[in-house]
Amino acid sequence: DAGVIQSPRHEVTEMGQEVTLRCKPISGHNSLFWYRQTMMRGLELLIYFNNNVPIDDSGMPEDRFSAKMPNASFSTLKIQPSEPRDSAVYFCASSLGRPLFFGSGTQLSVL
Amino acid sequence: GQQVMQIPQYQHVQEGEDFTTYCNSSTTLSNIQWYKQRPGGHPVFLIQLVKSGEVKKQKRLTFQFGEAKKNSSLHITATQTTDVGTYFCAGFNTNAGKSTFGDGTTLTVKP
Repeated sequence: DAGVIQSPRHEVTEMGQEVTLRCKPISGHNSLFWYRQTMMRGLELLIYFNNNVPIDDSGMPEDRFSAKMPNASFSTLKIQPSEPRDSAVYFCASSLGRPLFFGSGTQLSVL
Repeated sequence: GQQVMQIPQYQHVQEGEDFTTYCNSSTTLSNIQWYKQRPGGHPVFLIQLVKSGEVKKQKRLTFQFGEAKKNSSLHITATQTTDVGTYFCAGFNTNAGKSTFGDGTTLTVKP
């Protein structure tokens, strides 16, 4: 298996622009997680899905962030409009129970 | 909500010295996982502990789960430069329905 696949690996955008991060989980996994990692705040859980249904989105910072999982093999995390403080590494992870398998992440820089 | 604390935040050792990181949860855990993140990489699963008082070994790494299932430790014997990275614990609580990551311990090894 190719593991969790995230795209793009790097994203540089200007403040106010829409950003869409993509994730393909490991086939057969039924849970998908979006994390954000920064030096200041560490690894934060933004939202997680179970069987394509959002279960807990309490970590989503504000209404500018939204996530979807239209099917078992694809998820997106959208930021609209983006702000400089959104700059971070965003990880997607999938699991079948535990443990979590992480993708390589998307390094987002908002100028 | 559930909190997981890890200490120390940073540890600098000379190659060959031992290293230990500690993880403490505010609630009783169902299980705990340990992950390693190399610089510039993503968290990679190392091990899961489930039973009270459980001890598991992986070569030079020894993992322990406390009797009360609220704390855990990772001990590395005779560190090598390949051990550098950040070690995270993640505690799973059934009531919360999700894992909570600690802030991680970043290990640097001087050759």
